[in-house]
Amino acid sequence: ETGVTQTPRHLVMGMTNKKSLKCEQHLGHNAMYWYKQSAKKPLELMFVYSLEERVENNSVPSRFSPECPNSSHLFLHLHTLQPEDSALYLCASSQNLGGTSSGEQYFGPGTRLTVT
Amino acid sequence: LAKTTQPISMDSYEGQEVNITCSHNNIATNDYITWYQQFPSQGPRFIIQGYKTKVTNEVASLFIPADRKSSTLSLPRVSLSDTAVYYCLVTSGYSTLTFGKGTMLLVSP
Repeated sequence: ETGVTQTPRHLVMGMTNKKSLKCEQHLGHNAMYWYKQSAKKPLELMFVYSLEERVENNSVPSRFSPECPNSSHLFLHLHTLQPEDSALYLCASSQNLGGTSSGEQYFGPGTRLTVT
Repeated sequence: LAKTTQPISMDSYEGQEVNITCSHNNIATNDYITWYQQFPSQGPRFIIQGYKTKVTNEVASLFIPADRKSSTLSLPRVSLSDTAVYYCLVTSGYSTLTFGKGTMLLVSP
């Protein structure tokens, strides 16, 4: 148990659906991250938030829309996804952004997303 | 950001010490070296982080030579549950993690 929870753990959605992934951290951290891990590929950083402000967006398609209402919660809103978006979506947090803190991230268990 | 190179896979047996070496030839002065472990269908888990010389915690040791162009993660007396992918990362002051393909460690009985 890392102190970072993600719901749902599994999600199957059609290409026309709208769904949201939720992440919550109970560690008092100030930075939160979304990653995507496709089969047999390295983790890809999608979004970075620090103190509820988005500080990085790694050329992610607009069909992925993040939201960080407070430092404990992070959402990833999904709409009109493609089958190639099927992957494990991981949320992580760190004490702060920068210094050694960014290197020590705590990951949630992930949401396994299947787009049909 | 410094690129890292590590073996694609390694095999070991229970009870042995495993050393995984990572090269990072263009590491910068402000960069740290961080290692993560990942089991299938789970998020990565932070193992250890260091800047130079040796760092040890309850899970592993990290050896970094003076030139810092490489580092070695040492896992003492591995068990079957240590079978996982191990990632070596170089992180800088303002840093977001860039994961490579990692090293798949297989521990056999």
